[in-house]
Amino acid sequence: AQRVTQPEKLLSVFKGAPVELKCNYSYSGSPELFWYVQYSRQRLQLLLRHISRESIKGFTADLNKGETSFHLKKPFAQEEDSAMYYCALDVQAAGNKLTFGGGTRVLVKP
Amino acid sequence: GAVVSQHPSWVICKSGTSVKIECRSLDFQATTMFWYRQFPKQSLMLMATSNEGSKATYEQGVEKDKFLINHASLTLSTLTVTSAHPEDSSFYICSARAGLTGTSVEVDTQYFGPGTRLTVL
Repeated sequence: AQRVTQPEKLLSVFKGAPVELKCNYSYSGSPELFWYVQYSRQRLQLLLRHISRESIKGFTADLNKGETSFHLKKPFAQEEDSAMYYCALDVQAAGNKLTFGGGTRVLVKP
Repeated sequence: GAVVSQHPSWVICKSGTSVKIECRSLDFQATTMFWYRQFPKQSLMLMATSNEGSKATYEQGVEKDKFLINHASLTLSTLTVTSAHPEDSSFYICSARAGLTGTSVEVDTQYFGPGTRLTVL
C-alpha cells in the first residue's frame, strides 16, 4: 500500500531563512504528488503539484523518483508562511484517493 | 480559485440523532467527492469516496451504515452521521475532484471544503 511520510512535525525558522519540508513516499507506480497548506482557521488549499512544476508563493518542490521524495523548499521564509503543510500522494489505481502525510507545522519567527 | 462549500459549518446535536452535512462544488463539476475526518492536531483520514450516481466506497474500518453518503449530482454530496454518539464528534471535511479544467480549476486536483465541526452531546 502507498504511504507518505513527513518526518518533521514542527519546523521553526527565522524570517528570511531557508525552509525545507521533507516528504517521502512509497508507491510502486507512477506517483502524482501534491503539497497542501492549511493556514490557521482556514481550509486546506492546494499549494502546488509536481506536474505543474510551478513556483507558488516562492515555494518549489521537485519530484525525485530515485529517492522517492518530494521535498518542499523556500529560500526565504516569511511570517505569513506559518501554517500546517501536508504532502499528499494521488494514486489513480486506488480511485484517485489522496494519501496524506502526517503534516508539518511551520513556524516562522520574526 | 475553485470553491467547495460545506453546510453547516458547525453543528451540536444530542446523542442518538442523525446529522446531515452537505458538500457542494460551486463553480465546477466534480467527478468524485471525498469525505475526510480530522482529529485535533492530526492529519486527514479518508473515510469514503463518493461518485455521482453510484455507491460510495468506504475505507477499512468505516461503518457504511453509520456514515451514509449520497452523491446526488456532479456538484453535491451529502454525509449523514446516523445515530450519532459522542465519539463521532470530529471535524468532517469534504473535497471535490475537478473533472474538467476551467479558468480557476485544475483537472484531477482535489479542492477542499472548509469543514464541519460536529459535537455530539
